[in-house]
Amino acid sequence: GEDVEQSLFLSVREGDSSVINCTYTDSSSTYLYWYKQEPGAGLQLLTYIFSNMDMKQDQRLTVLLNKKDKHLSLRIADTQTGDSAIYFCAEINNAGNMLTFGGGTRLMVKP
Amino acid sequence: EAEVAQSPRYKITEKSQAVAFWCDPISGHATLYWYRQILGQGPELLVQFQDESVVDDSQLPKDRFSAERLKGVDSTLKIQPAELGDSAMYLCASSLYTGTGGYTFGSGTRLTVV
Repeated sequence: GEDVEQSLFLSVREGDSSVINCTYTDSSSTYLYWYKQEPGAGLQLLTYIFSNMDMKQDQRLTVLLNKKDKHLSLRIADTQTGDSAIYFCAEINNAGNMLTFGGGTRLMVKP
Repeated sequence: EAEVAQSPRYKITEKSQAVAFWCDPISGHATLYWYRQILGQGPELLVQFQDESVVDDSQLPKDRFSAERLKGVDSTLKIQPAELGDSAMYLCASSLYTGTGGYTFGSGTRLTVV
């Protein structure tokens, strides 16, 4: 079955760049996603990348996809204290009907 | 901006009691999902509806959990009887189309079973 792995924790200083990494196993995934979850809240879709792309940029967010290594990363430029949250990567299966999440990476931004 | 509505926001119940959660998806979204998120973990799919039909409930513990979406709009997830291990956040999500994964999530119902 599908498996999505993330590191548990990342701490950065305000103004630095953050890089959150994710590995997945389903090579047939069509889309890969990054969601953000603030304490006690639901998940907010941040960005996504189609599997035939290797990079996508959206303001302060850059997504890099290495299909060969099944590695996805999210770079946040100029990280702010408001970016402190848990970030989940997710993949959708080939049938397009099941979104599988990683365990989440807690990002802490220090002032 | 359209939202997925969930209620209640928080629920505390004693074990062996029945509990129900409600979700109203974004208008026009045919696909509705219920996810369970245990503290410190990622969400896991419990059940997926396409309109009023169940598409996937393979991860739903059917001895105690049930879900319905009778008119293909709002949905109810029920647990009876609740167990201590059911304590989690229950998230509802909806999407216009199956296959894109760009789901919109509600704020969730945090269930505590005591």
